Amino acid sequence: AQSVTQLGSHVSVSEGALVLLRCNYSSSVPPYLFWYVQYPNQGLQLLLKYTTGATLVKGINGFEAEFKKSETSFHLTKPSAHMSDAAEYFCAVSEGGGFKTIFGAGTRLFVKA
Amino acid sequence: SQTIHQWPATLVQPVGSPLSLECTVEGTSNPNLYWYRQAAGRGLQLLFYSVGIGQISSEVPQNLSASRPQDRQFILSSKKLLLSDSGFYLCAWSASSYNSPLHFGNGTRLTVT
Repeated sequence: AQSVTQLGSHVSVSEGALVLLRCNYSSSVPPYLFWYVQYPNQGLQLLLKYTTGATLVKGINGFEAEFKKSETSFHLTKPSAHMSDAAEYFCAVSEGGGFKTIFGAGTRLFVKA
Repeated sequence: SQTIHQWPATLVQPVGSPLSLECTVEGTSNPNLYWYRQAAGRGLQLLFYSVGIGQISSEVPQNLSASRPQDRQFILSSKKLLLSDSGFYLCAWSASSYNSPLHFGNGTRLTVT
């Protein structure tokens, strides 16, 4: 069965610092991997996705993630945090089909001025 | 482009009252449709999904039901709300391809009093 683990329910960084949000998954088949962002009282917005091909995936708002099969990881990074990045971030894995998408518990990112 | 509309944005209902939340998608045909609930500290829970008109799959037993009367319309209902039904309800759609991400509406904050 597939599962997703996000390390750290809360991450705090200073404005301009590197953002690193960790995600590890388990899947019995090559997975599809996603990162979503949720701002307060809003729905989730797709940041980026990995399906096949290049393992370094670039998304919106300067975020990127790297699929590392050997480590079963899909960590999200951004070189320089901005105040507007403060939100909750969800990693998700799917073995095929939206109804098979499993979400991590989420990581709330705080950005300090 | 595709858009998803979900209403109302907030709702306060007494215990035992009925519920009807509506979601519509524009700009795509035959989408897969989903209802999720997000309770505080409990992540995203898939409640129902639908791959076509009249086709509803339930993921968890509960006093909620879903219907899909039209291709791009998805309704979440309850005959009698419980306190435990409080939460943030999210509608989402995806294309039918296996690697398609989920696209979420802005959610409905339901408080049962």
